[in-house]
Amino acid sequence: AQSVAQPEDQVNVAEGNPLTVKCTYSVSGNPYLFWYVQYPNRGLQFLLKYITGDNLVKGSYGFEAEFNKSQTSFHLKKPSALVSDSALYFCAVTPRGGGGNKLTFGTGTQLKVEL
Amino acid sequence: NAGVTQTPKFQVLKTGQSMTLQCAQDMNHNSMYWYRQDPGMGLRLIYYSASEGTTDKGEVPNGYNVSRLNKREFSLRLESAAPSQTSVYFCASRYTPGGEQYFGPGTRLTVT
Repeated sequence: AQSVAQPEDQVNVAEGNPLTVKCTYSVSGNPYLFWYVQYPNRGLQFLLKYITGDNLVKGSYGFEAEFNKSQTSFHLKKPSALVSDSALYFCAVTPRGGGGNKLTFGTGTQLKVEL
Repeated sequence: NAGVTQTPKFQVLKTGQSMTLQCAQDMNHNSMYWYRQDPGMGLRLIYYSASEGTTDKGEVPNGYNVSRLNKREFSLRLESAAPSQTSVYFCASRYTPGGEQYFGPGTRLTVT
């Protein structure tokens, strides 16, 4: 069975500083990996995904994520945080092939960016 | 292009009542999903439909039923609501297994 761990319930960072939101996963075979963001009282919005190829994936709003197969991690990063980045972030995984329709989400990390 | 729409936005039920949550997508996506979101637990998959005419159980299917009415619509039914089903429910859809999911705005359900 696949699983996702987001070890930090909350991450606090000052505006202008770099941010990292951590994600590790467990899945059979090679995964598809995703990051989503949720603003208050809204549905989830897609940020970026890893399918294959370059381990550094660039996405919306200046976010990027680095796929590390040996560490089974897919950490979300941004070089310079904005107050408007404050939101709930979810990492998700789905295996290729069989079971590929089922996306498993982590429990979410609340990002708070302060002035 | 409305994306994924859900009705209703809010609902309050008494224990034992039934209701159906409606979801529709206009993106010609093959797969559709129902999730519930509870504090500290992330999103948990209730049921999904990989393609029109098929449905499968997810992680937490007990107490729920689904119908994939056609390619556009996927409904979630609570036959006898329980307080443990108080949650925010999200519908999502996607075109291929490697593609991103698109989410609706959610339905906030309270069961008293």
